[in-house]
Amino acid sequence: AQSVTQLGSHVSVSEGALVLLRCNYSSSVPPYLFWYVQYPNQGLQLLLKYTSAATLVKGINGFEAEFKKSETSFHLTKPSAHMSDAAEYFCAAGSGNTGKLIFGQGTTLQVKP
Amino acid sequence: GAVVSQHPSRVICKSGTSVKIECRSLDFQATTMFWYRQFPKQSLMLMATSNEGSKATYEQGVEKDKFLINHASLTLSTLTVTSAHPEDSSFYICSARVWLAGVDNEQFFGPGTRLTVL
Repeated sequence: AQSVTQLGSHVSVSEGALVLLRCNYSSSVPPYLFWYVQYPNQGLQLLLKYTSAATLVKGINGFEAEFKKSETSFHLTKPSAHMSDAAEYFCAAGSGNTGKLIFGQGTTLQVKP
Repeated sequence: GAVVSQHPSRVICKSGTSVKIECRSLDFQATTMFWYRQFPKQSLMLMATSNEGSKATYEQGVEKDKFLINHASLTLSTLTVTSAHPEDSSFYICSARVWLAGVDNEQFFGPGTRLTVL
């Protein structure tokens, strides 16, 4: 069964510092991969997605992620954190025709001034 | 981008009553809609997959008689929590997907509904 693991339930960085949120997937077939952001009491907003077109994916708000098949990883990065980046981040994998998404446990990003 | 709405955004009800939550795709037709619930500080848990014109497919452990799902049109799915109890209090999120052959499985999420059962 497919699974998604986000290492680190809570990540704290200083404003202006590099943001690195880790995501590993477990699948025999490279899935479609997504990163979503969730602000309190809101739904999920898509940051970026990997669909096999390019291994380095650029998303909104300066975020990007690199798909590494050899490491079964899809880590999310941003060169310089802003206070507004503080939120909950979810990595998700989808495959097949069911359209189902499997979510990681989520990582809370805290940005300190 | 595609917009999905949910109504209501917040509902408080008494134990034993039923609550209906609507999920609408505003600018596209959704062949499939998904219903999730999310407990505080936790991830999203898929409850069921809803395809227009057919019965919903429920995930293991989700009571289909308690969480009634109707997907009557390509733009509307409803989730009814029947005889709600305090343990049903949660954040319910829907998403919608347009399935196209060879296209990724991107889902568009609604803003969520906060259900509180007293």
